[in-house]
Amino acid sequence: DGGITQSPKYLFRKEGQNVTLSCEQNLNHDAMYWYRQDPGQGLRLIYYSQIVNDFQKGDIAEGYSVSREKKESFPLTVTSAQKNPTAFYLCASTPLGTRDYNEQFFGPGTRLTVL
Amino acid sequence: EDQVTQSPEALRLQEGESSSLNCSYTVSGLRGLFWYRQDPGKGPEFLFTLYSAGEEKEKERLKATLTKKESFLHITAPKPEDSATYLCAVKALFPKLIFGQGTTLQVKP
Repeated sequence: DGGITQSPKYLFRKEGQNVTLSCEQNLNHDAMYWYRQDPGQGLRLIYYSQIVNDFQKGDIAEGYSVSREKKESFPLTVTSAQKNPTAFYLCASTPLGTRDYNEQFFGPGTRLTVL
Repeated sequence: EDQVTQSPEALRLQEGESSSLNCSYTVSGLRGLFWYRQDPGKGPEFLFTLYSAGEEKEKERLKATLTKKESFLHITAPKPEDSATYLCAVKALFPKLIFGQGTTLQVKP
């Protein structure tokens, strides 16, 4: 089955720790995205990537880093510089093509909690 | 500034009681409006894409419509399994989606 997988489902971080969230897709999609979701707020874009070895900052990139070494993988690292990392993190992907309104498909999410 | 506002924030319906959810948007150069359904603790599930004013899409008990300033998600004769948070998002400059805060729907049997 084609889809987007995220791991782990739950993640606990201690103060001062860096943690990495995994996102893998087998949809052969070109673009991948990371969003953060907080209660009562809309999804906010952290980083996105349209091609391998290239990525751009979204609206709330401070304290986060990403890499895109393979088309199917887009891991997100939450660094110790992110002061309020407790949130639900969502990865999404979309194909690029002639349409500029392709829908984004989402993974199941990772819930990160700071201890 | 590009903006999306959804109303109401929460909606409680009896099973079979039809209603509508609203998504108002302000965006320069709309390139698509998207509706998603999100169950608690899960990722959003894609429902519809609307591209131009006057367009309508239907899926089971759901029907989405689009005007130049807003979109409606009409729910006809809802069932308890329709309970979820419904998210609206617009696409302006590629590749960013701008999301509303969502409407949480509860359908009681």
